[in-house]
Amino acid sequence: DAGITQSPRHKVTETGTPVTLRCHQTENHRYMYWYRQDPGHGLRLIHYSYGVKDTDKGEVSDGYSVSRSKTEDFLLTLESATSSQTSVYFCAISESRERNSPLHFGNGTRLTVT
Amino acid sequence: DAKTTQPPSMDCAEGRAANLPCNHSTISGNEYVYWYRQIHSQGPQYIIHGLKNNETNEMASLIITEDRKSSTLILPHATLRDTAVYYCIVRVAGTSGSRLTFGEGTQLTVNP
Repeated sequence: DAGITQSPRHKVTETGTPVTLRCHQTENHRYMYWYRQDPGHGLRLIHYSYGVKDTDKGEVSDGYSVSRSKTEDFLLTLESATSSQTSVYFCAISESRERNSPLHFGNGTRLTVT
Repeated sequence: DAKTTQPPSMDCAEGRAANLPCNHSTISGNEYVYWYRQIHSQGPQYIIHGLKNNETNEMASLIITEDRKSSTLILPHATLRDTAVYYCIVRVAGTSGSRLTFGEGTQLTVNP
């Protein structure tokens, strides 16, 4: 399995509080991604990073911010959590963004916003 | 993005080959076909991918038709641990980053 660790694995938080999810990789891959998975929507890209301090938005980036200060760590922050952000969040990594470079996923963080 | 169509569920006997079909009739010439699987509560697991030629690795084989409009994932000797949802995906990569559009997938149940 690809060396990807997500923390925490489970989180319950209240509406309006800030939340940070962490993704740590040991593969030295350049590209890192944050997805969320919801019933009926499949996996949707939130943000991605193509290098240290280089990030860009995905299709559902509103309400989320990211940071990447080291190759191995990619943080996802919910500035003020809302109930619509209750979801399972997956981090993924890839060596490149080319079509023939597979993404490898972590085991997810289950976030509940009450 | 090219859309994929998969049967919602399939059953397979343990030890037999599992053949999972996928239709992707609108695929473009430079788009890859990827297969992932997801076991409940875990992250999607990469299985295999291909462009035109058939591919094989330690997990599975991928057969792509000559017109590239469909493909089949083959698990040669299915085990109970292969029970999962299998996703066939057409990979789009571009200046805005890579997207993986997961559809509903096929729930494969391997029976003893």
